[in-house]
Amino acid sequence: EPEVTQTPSHQVTQMGQEVILRCVPISNHLYFYWYRQILGQKVEFLVSFYNNEISEKSEIFDDQFSVERPDGSNFTLKIRSTKLEDSAMYFCASTWQMNTEAFFGQGTRLTVV
Amino acid sequence: GQQVMQIPQYQHVQEGEDFTTYCNSSTTLSNIQWYKQRPGGHPVFLIQLVKSGEVKKQKRLTFQFGEAKKNSSLHITATQTTDVGTYFCAGRIGNGQNFVFGPGTRLSVLP
Repeated sequence: EPEVTQTPSHQVTQMGQEVILRCVPISNHLYFYWYRQILGQKVEFLVSFYNNEISEKSEIFDDQFSVERPDGSNFTLKIRSTKLEDSAMYFCASTWQMNTEAFFGQGTRLTVV
Repeated sequence: GQQVMQIPQYQHVQEGEDFTTYCNSSTTLSNIQWYKQRPGGHPVFLIQLVKSGEVKKQKRLTFQFGEAKKNSSLHITATQTTDVGTYFCAGRIGNGQNFVFGPGTRLSVLP
């Protein structure tokens, strides 16, 4: 069964450092998303990406965040200067069309110390 | 802002008992999805409902979308220990690509 893969599974970083979280969406999917989930809390939408550009973003997705699809397979989330409150599980997801089921990756647990 | 709420926050049931979680939106939804997240896992898609009043069944799970498309429910008949996890509803508002997730209902099933 096709799956979304994310690396690394766990990232520990010092406050103020830049991190890049990587995702490989399902190959024939067209829409890509990043969500985050603070431990024990709900899944929060960060950004959606379609046709090589951001299509929607939430209030959480401020200037410290950026996304890229550098080649035909990878989809990355960069946080420029991490804060303690960025500590969370970050999930990448992809869909074939806008209104279809989202396939989530296993997540990257980001810990900012 | 756009809000999707779920109740209850937690539910503990004895194996074999039924379970229901309710999802309510402050805004009319275009469609709604349900996901299950096992402890330590990632959200896994269960179902999507689109039409007003729609009811869908998956084995012991019954999903319902309200007539006004502002609420939804998930009912599990005769729970099993494998049903343990957090159940999230996620609603799409208008033509947006973003699905707004509810806070989830965490289900514990005692054997």
